[in-house]
Amino acid sequence: KAGVTQTPRYLIKTRGQQVTLSCSPISGHRSVSWYQQTPGQGLQFLFEYFSETQRNKGNFPGRFSGRQFSNSRSEMNVSTLELGDSALYLCASSPMGRGTYEQYFGPGTRLTVT
Amino acid sequence: AQRVTQPEKLLSVFKGAPVELKCNYSYSGSPELFWYVQYSRQRLQLLLRHISRESIKGFTADLNKGETSFHLKKPFAQEEDSAMYYCALTFNAGNMLTFGGGTRLMVKP
Repeated sequence: KAGVTQTPRYLIKTRGQQVTLSCSPISGHRSVSWYQQTPGQGLQFLFEYFSETQRNKGNFPGRFSGRQFSNSRSEMNVSTLELGDSALYLCASSPMGRGTYEQYFGPGTRLTVT
Repeated sequence: AQRVTQPEKLLSVFKGAPVELKCNYSYSGSPELFWYVQYSRQRLQLLLRHISRESIKGFTADLNKGETSFHLKKPFAQEEDSAMYYCALTFNAGNMLTFGGGTRLMVKP
């Protein structure tokens, strides 16, 4: 099976702009989670979608949002970008919606905000 | 709130030496614990999980609820074990992983 894919891989935006990142899970996986990785804060959970519904949400401001489509593909959106949003954004998919299942990570999207 | 602590940012050992990567957690309930690994230029991937009680690539980890620890151990380190290791926790809430800060393991020849 093809692994989790994320597009684009690299992105440069300016403060105040908005950005949309895309994630295609492994075929058959219904859960998609998003994480932000920064040198200072490490890996932090953003949100999880399962069957087009947001199941869990991390402690991020409302500028961060996401959605999942009927084919399980997911997008996350960040509005009014700030310099501190520069990070590697990882997407992970899992067959089901519980933590006992392995999460498969994508390569990430590197977002730079200038 | 749950928290995962990996006290060592860097651990350097010689090939053939024993390795122990420490992980401590704080959570009042019964969490599920994992170790994820990221080799150079590769994706983050699951190494092992406590419920499986398995040994992967010679690594084992025992959940100690009394000490709230989930240390990762290997009796004889290999150079190919050099990587970034993350301890992670989830509770009965879906796939929401809480990660520790990570430990970089360097195995010297």
